[in-house]
Formats: sequence, structure tokens, C-alpha cells
Amino acid sequence: AQTVTQSQPEMSVQEAETVTLSCTYDTSESDYYLFWYKQPPSRQMILVIRQEAYKQQNATENRFSVNFQKAAKSFSLKISDSQLGDAAMYFCAYYSGNTPLVFGKGTRLSVIA
Amino acid sequence: NAGVMQNPRHLVRRRGQEARLRCSPMKGHSHVYWYRQLPEEGLKFMVYLQKENIIDESGMPKERFSAEFPKEGPSILRIQQVVRGDSAAYFCASSPGPGSYNEQFFGPGTRLTVL
Repeated sequence: AQTVTQSQPEMSVQEAETVTLSCTYDTSESDYYLFWYKQPPSRQMILVIRQEAYKQQNATENRFSVNFQKAAKSFSLKISDSQLGDAAMYFCAYYSGNTPLVFGKGTRLSVIA
Repeated sequence: NAGVMQNPRHLVRRRGQEARLRCSPMKGHSHVYWYRQLPEEGLKFMVYLQKENIIDESGMPKERFSAEFPKEGPSILRIQQVVRGDSAAYFCASSPGPGSYNEQFFGPGTRLTVL
């Protein structure tokens, strides 16, 4: 079964600095999608960024970028110029045509002013 | 251009009562997904529905839980004879097409508390 592992339950970063959140996954599929979701205290799930496995180029959305290492099954999220509003739970998720969305347990990010 | 709507946002039930959670997908979306989030956990898939059809219920407990998405009206997740372990946040997501080739848009969730 596909699994998603986030090994950092909590992370903190100084405002304006850069932080990287780790995610690894296990799959035997060759075609799949990976996502990072943000869940602020309001609990709303917000899609931050997504990556198609067949694309070699790492996805980027403004201050958010990923480091996708397909062979290593690693999908880390880098947040640059961290802002107070970035404080939230971050969930890594996996999807292939054969499974529903599978989420990791999350990383709680604190941003220190 | 309303997003996915869920109601109620908070629901309190006593053990043995029934809980009904409602989800109205985004306009034009015919695919609905329900997830459960236990405290300090990620979301876990429960069921995937299209209009009038259950496509995948592999994550749904076999007893006491049921879901529907009628031709008209919202999708309903029903939990009969609730127990304390059912206390969680329940999220609904919708998409215009199958799976996450189309992005799933999440509602704000319903937090169920069982006393």
C-alpha cells in the first residue's frame, strides 16, 4: 500500500528565513501526483503546490518550491522568505489513478517574528 | 463563486445519537470525497461518490457509517449510534472530474464532538 511519511512533527523558522519540510513516500507506480497542503488554525485545507511525477522540473509557486527526487521517493517543500502567515500544519499527499489521496501525518510549522 | 460548503461547522452529539454531515460541492463539480481527520493526524480517505453512485468506499467503516450523493441536494455523511471514537473533523472535497488529475477543493470541515 502507498504510504506517505513526514518525519518532522514540528519545525520552526525565523521570519524572512528559509525552511524545508521533508516528505518521503512509498509506491510501485510510475505515474502519480504529489501535493503539499497547508492547514492553518481555521482548519481549511489549502493546496500549496503540486507535482506530476512524469515532470522532471520541480514545481514552483511564488515563495514555495519543491525538491522532487523520484528515484529516492522524496518530495520536500521549501518555503523562502517565511512570513507569519505561513504558520500552519503542512501535509504532504500522494495520488495515483489507483488510490485516493493519501496524506502524511503533517508537520507543524511555527514562524518566529 | 462559492467554494465547497459544509454544515454544520460544529456538531455535538451524545453517544448513541445520529450525526448527519452535509457537503455542497462547488458549482459544476460532480465528484465528492469525504475524509476524516483525527486529532494530530493527517486526513484519511473515507468514501468517493459521484451523483447517485458510490465509487469507492474502501475507507469507510463497515458499520454505522453511510454516505450518499443524491441527484439533487448535498452529499450526506451519516454516522449512526455515534461513539466517542467518532469525534474528529470530517472534510469534504469536490472536483470536476475523477481523481486528483483534477484538483480536489476542500470544504472547511465539520468538527464532530461526541460526549
